Amino acid sequence: DAGVTQSPTHLIKTRGQQVTLRCSPKSGHDTVSWYQQALGQGPQFIFQYYEEEERQRGNFPDRFSGHQFPNYSSELNVNALLLGDSALYLCASSLSLARGNEQFFGPGTRLTVL
Amino acid sequence: AQSVTQLGSHVSVSEGALVLLRCNYSSSVPPYLFWYVQYPNQGLQLLLKYTTGATLVKGINGFEAEFKKSETSFHLTKPSAHMSDAAEYFCAVSVPINSGGSNYKLTFGKGTLLTVNP
Repeated sequence: DAGVTQSPTHLIKTRGQQVTLRCSPKSGHDTVSWYQQALGQGPQFIFQYYEEEERQRGNFPDRFSGHQFPNYSSELNVNALLLGDSALYLCASSLSLARGNEQFFGPGTRLTVL
Repeated sequence: AQSVTQLGSHVSVSEGALVLLRCNYSSSVPPYLFWYVQYPNQGLQLLLKYTTGATLVKGINGFEAEFKKSETSFHLTKPSAHMSDAAEYFCAVSVPINSGGSNYKLTFGKGTLLTVNP
């Protein structure tokens, strides 16, 4: 079992550009959540996908959007990049939306916006 | 609103000494609490979790945590630190993100960096 995988590992973009990050959940998991972790901070919830629908989102602007595919993999898209979007983006998968179910995290994608 | 406060952004201990990482939470519903560890350039790994039942929870790598409702705390301990324990530790609380209470997200503290001195 490969666990949660994310691609790419690192990414450098300039302000105003668009970026797409990808996540493959752990085998058997159907729920994907995305988090943004700024330097020196804890992860902040962006949104969660289940059954190919965005179930809820955190306090992030519409520039952040996502998608979940029938195989449960997911993408995070960020448009009109700002310097403040520089962060580690973490994908986490879990089995269903049950509260106590463990979320398994991927290694993250390090996004740098210049 | 639910939140997590980790006291001490940096804790330094000697190898073999007691590790104590502090976490206090606020929650409008009975909390589900988690401790995660993050090694450099890696994602988060679950150490342990409290949902219901026994308030003393044992996790991986010799860590344990005790849920104390009266103190709204969930402190992480390990009797004897090892060099390999050096990492960043995050406390998190699972909170409902819809009115029906069927969807949940994790709210994290800002983290505590643990360094272990030889």
